[in-house]
Amino acid sequence: EDKVVQSPLSLVVHEGDTVTLNCSYEVTNFRSLLWYKQEKKAPTFLFMLTSSGIEKKSGRLSSILDKKELSSILNITATQTGDSAIYLCAVPGGTSYGKLTFGQGTILTVHP
Amino acid sequence: GAVVSQHPSRVICKSGTSVKIECRSLDFQATTMFWYRQFPKQSLMLMATSNEGSKATYEQGVEKDKFLINHASLTLSTLTVTSAHPEDSSFYICSAREGSRETQYFGPGTRLLVL
Repeated sequence: EDKVVQSPLSLVVHEGDTVTLNCSYEVTNFRSLLWYKQEKKAPTFLFMLTSSGIEKKSGRLSSILDKKELSSILNITATQTGDSAIYLCAVPGGTSYGKLTFGQGTILTVHP
Repeated sequence: GAVVSQHPSRVICKSGTSVKIECRSLDFQATTMFWYRQFPKQSLMLMATSNEGSKATYEQGVEKDKFLINHASLTLSTLTVTSAHPEDSSFYICSAREGSRETQYFGPGTRLLVL
């Protein structure tokens, strides 16, 4: 059965800090890994990673995949209160209909 | 692009009534739509997968007679919670996927409160 594990489960930091969120996976027929940010409503898409070692960047957020270690990290630099959210990592399953297996999520709280 | 809408955003109903939630892909054709349920401070739990024109595939433990899913067109899927009870109160989220692309785009969710 496909499995995605995120750590830490929760994190409290102050504005300006840098955070690193982790995601490890066990999945048959790995194709990609997705990161989402969820605030009060539904998740919004951040990144899709398919190749090992290639960093994807969007503003203060960046992410990289390590296929050898079966893991990915999401970095947020110079955190702001608006970064407070649940960050979800997900991996599409091995079947053709693309079911996503989600990790438990990391609850990030950024204090002013 | 890749916008998914959900309606209603919030619904309060009496125990025993049925509630229908709509999920629409606004700017792409969603060959596959997914329905999730989420409890506070928890991750998303997949309930079912629906492909346009065919019966939904339900996850283990999800009652198909209670959570009716219809995916009648490439832009619309509906979830009907039949004979809702207070324990059905939750945040229901749909997502849509275009063709064989891996990325799923999520609707804004529907908060259901059953009194």
